Amino acid sequence: QQQVKQSPQSLIVQKGGISIINCAYENTAFDYFPWYQQFPGKGPALLIAIRPDVSEKKEGRFTISFNKSAKQFSLHIMDSQPGDSATYFCAASTLQDKAAGNKLTFGGGTRVLVKP
Amino acid sequence: DARVTQTPRHKVTEMGQEVTMRCQPILGHNTVFWYRQTMMQGLELLAYFRNRAPLDDSGMPKDRFSAEMPDATLATLKIQPSEPRDSAVYFCASGLLIGYEETQYFGPGTRLLVL
Repeated sequence: QQQVKQSPQSLIVQKGGISIINCAYENTAFDYFPWYQQFPGKGPALLIAIRPDVSEKKEGRFTISFNKSAKQFSLHIMDSQPGDSATYFCAASTLQDKAAGNKLTFGGGTRVLVKP
Repeated sequence: DARVTQTPRHKVTEMGQEVTMRCQPILGHNTVFWYRQTMMQGLELLAYFRNRAPLDDSGMPKDRFSAEMPDATLATLKIQPSEPRDSAVYFCASGLLIGYEETQYFGPGTRLLVL
């Protein structure tokens, strides 16, 4: 019930291409869906997040698409650059459950390599 | 700029030894999380605190792990006794709950190797 499934596990894309990472969840109580970016040797850092009241959110080259009925959300990286090479994690939590706090459930991660 | 700091950054120890990891959350943040990251299990939440009170430690092996926040500027995670299967990167993250939004800011991690 708490699991977040992420695919693919790894992805190779040419510079300028589009990277697409997908996540699916089961718990309909989730109401906050962040994406984190992690470079080797560093901690994850928040990249972009979405609430289920919108279907899409864009920040620069990064876009989250959200499909509430399908319980799926995805990250699109447009015009991928070598500097985007990192591991990306989707996550979900139930912000409105004050007892649960902001307990994030993470997907398994996608290692993205952007070739120059 | 404000950052979560963790010490030590690397730790090599022998099985059976006590390990203590420390975290200094971002000043003013009221939530602290401890995560463990391994290749096999990914990122797992071990425990977290809000306003220094433990909210959930269900992800933590109780017999050997303990987490505390002796004050608002320090969180600790202890393993006693340590085992080879505890080898992982341990992350601390802090956040500030404003309404329904809370961004978690991760520290650089402590890379633990138990021989």
